[in-house]
Amino acid sequence: GDSVTQMEGPVTLSEKAFLTINCTYTATGYPSLFWYVQYPGEGLQLLLKATKADDKGSNKGFEATYRKETTSFHLEKGSVQVSDSAVYFCALSFSSRLTFGEGTQLTVNP
Amino acid sequence: NAGVTQTPKFRVLKTGQSMTLLCAQDMNHEYMYWYRQDPGMGLRLIHYSVGEGTTAKGEVPDGYNVSRLKKQNFLLGLESAAPSQTSVYFCASRRYIIRGTKEDGYTFGSGTRLTVV
Repeated sequence: GDSVTQMEGPVTLSEKAFLTINCTYTATGYPSLFWYVQYPGEGLQLLLKATKADDKGSNKGFEATYRKETTSFHLEKGSVQVSDSAVYFCALSFSSRLTFGEGTQLTVNP
Repeated sequence: NAGVTQTPKFRVLKTGQSMTLLCAQDMNHEYMYWYRQDPGMGLRLIHYSVGEGTTAKGEVPDGYNVSRLKKQNFLLGLESAAPSQTSVYFCASRRYIIRGTKEDGYTFGSGTRLTVV
């Protein structure tokens, strides 16, 4: 079945550091890919998405490119802020179902 | 625009008790979902619905039942709660995607924290 694998966390960075959170997927078809963010005590918010190969999703300084050849959708940000501290989920959508990775806890220290 | 609303937000149950979680969306979405979130396991799909009157099993359906009598509501029931069902439950919805149009993404509620003692 479909699955998503994220890099193990937690990740701790200093403010202004470069962020990469790795995400790879396995799917039987051609899924849409998402990154969701969950701030403490809240629900999930859509951060960015890509619906086909080579699409780049971007939002709030975060970027991810849909790489079909490596089945990856890595999340990057050039300079993180304390307010980026949250749990980040990679997910794929196929056949009307959304499948999540395990989540990566990011903590950014001032 | 309320989006997806879940009630209640918190609940403590005793083992063997029953309860129903309510999810309501005001976006006229066709698809609705129930997930549970447990530490280190991400979100796992319990049940979902692709339209009024339809339901289907997800990844972890045992111990739960659902109903979608109205398009805007999706109910999750626990008939006999067990400590293993202690979790945070999220509801989500999504519109029907016409072939050739772009995926919008799924909209999530703020969650229900359930503790079974």
